[in-house]
Amino acid sequence: DADVTQTPRNRITKTGKRIMLECSQTKGHDRMYWYRQDPGLGLRLIYYSFDVKDINKGEISDGYSVSRQAQAKFSLSLESAIPNQTALYFCATSAAPRAYEQYFGPGTRLTVT
Amino acid sequence: DAKTTQPNSMESNEEEPVHLPCNHSTISGTDYIHWYRQLPSQGPEYVIHGLTSNVNNRMASLAIAEDRKSSTLILHRATLRDAAVYYCILANSGYALNFGKGTSLLVTP
Repeated sequence: DADVTQTPRNRITKTGKRIMLECSQTKGHDRMYWYRQDPGLGLRLIYYSFDVKDINKGEISDGYSVSRQAQAKFSLSLESAIPNQTALYFCATSAAPRAYEQYFGPGTRLTVT
Repeated sequence: DAKTTQPNSMESNEEEPVHLPCNHSTISGTDYIHWYRQLPSQGPEYVIHGLTSNVNNRMASLAIAEDRKSSTLILHRATLRDAAVYYCILANSGYALNFGKGTSLLVTP
């Protein structure tokens, strides 16, 4: 079984809808991250969390919110989806002292029409 | 944050060494140099990292210039499975990795 799983893997939704992307990990890591990737571009950090009580905004947090329900679960929500949020979303985890070594999930491809 | 500059794409023949360059002229003394790669249709994966000294692991070698303003990721024998986008990233805190656009490596048989 994969160490970092993301659900759903693909999702098509309409403008204005609320959508939640979920991430679960079995690596026992305390740090979790959400990134988005647009075609031809690198990944950009949306939110990150160092433990259940710690949530931090990344480079592009506007229009997104997150919830760290447990050490192993980190969800990303789009409160009112818009077409320019169409992208590939990745969840990642890491743990000190090798916090720089992030493990990524398979990604969720989100299309907002 | 200090920026990195990488070629958009490179091509290599299978079973030959590949040297992927990265320039980071504004690197700070506390920045580590990280390399990740992203295989087609997958999330990125960690390759290697270093601070000042050259580093080797089972996947690759990292050669760091003495002034730290550039580095080179070395794949000793490229295989078709090494075709990916390679990202050179500077970071000093273990998070907030700035992936940039990376170098797309094409490996031909």
